Amino acid sequence: LAKTTQPISMDSYEGQEVNITCSHNNIATNDYITWYQQFPSQGPRFIIQGYKTKVTNEVASLFIPADRKSSTLSLPRVSLSDTAVYYCLVGGNNAGNMLTFGGGTRLMVKP
Amino acid sequence: KAGVTQTPRYLIKTRGQQVTLSCSPISGHRSVSWYQQTPGQGLQFLFEYFSETQRNKGNFPGRFSGRQFSNSRSEMNVSTLELGDSALYLCASSLVVGSNTEAFFGQGTRLTVV
Repeated sequence: LAKTTQPISMDSYEGQEVNITCSHNNIATNDYITWYQQFPSQGPRFIIQGYKTKVTNEVASLFIPADRKSSTLSLPRVSLSDTAVYYCLVGGNNAGNMLTFGGGTRLMVKP
Repeated sequence: KAGVTQTPRYLIKTRGQQVTLSCSPISGHRSVSWYQQTPGQGLQFLFEYFSETQRNKGNFPGRFSGRQFSNSRSEMNVSTLELGDSALYLCASSLVVGSNTEAFFGQGTRLTVV
């Protein structure tokens, strides 16, 4: 499974756009890129998933360049409640439902 | 639609004892995975079950085991508990198999071994 590298922590202020970049140089052809959010003492929650180019849903956007060796999660206009740990994962169907979590990025949103 | 339910939420056990944790997946989901989360090691995959069969297993000792029932409910068991087994144990369910499938996590069981 591809290893991911993302910043350990980031700080932001309410109302700002936050971009968290994840590196996955060894991503395989059939790997998807998925982001999860986790609050303390809760299970992770799916945010967004993509394979290439750009994906947008009601909470975030995911930008994936053509070489797919990195991806950027974009959170528009963050609020205090977006303070959480964000995990970038890559994997394909041959891994079943085995998710490999890295260290994640601890996002702190300040007032 | 009810989410993933894990019981109990909190548990305190003594070293050497054994423990069984339960997970009820979202209705209709047939894949259940288990994870251990500790401050030092982060989130680590334990095992995955689909249609009562273990499909994948993480790098944990044989003291950690699991099973899945015909109704997709799953249990995990840890025998001969060690202090280092203190962790948040998370269960996730998915509709189908595949890492591009959204996994829905429960709130976890916080196990403390004393």
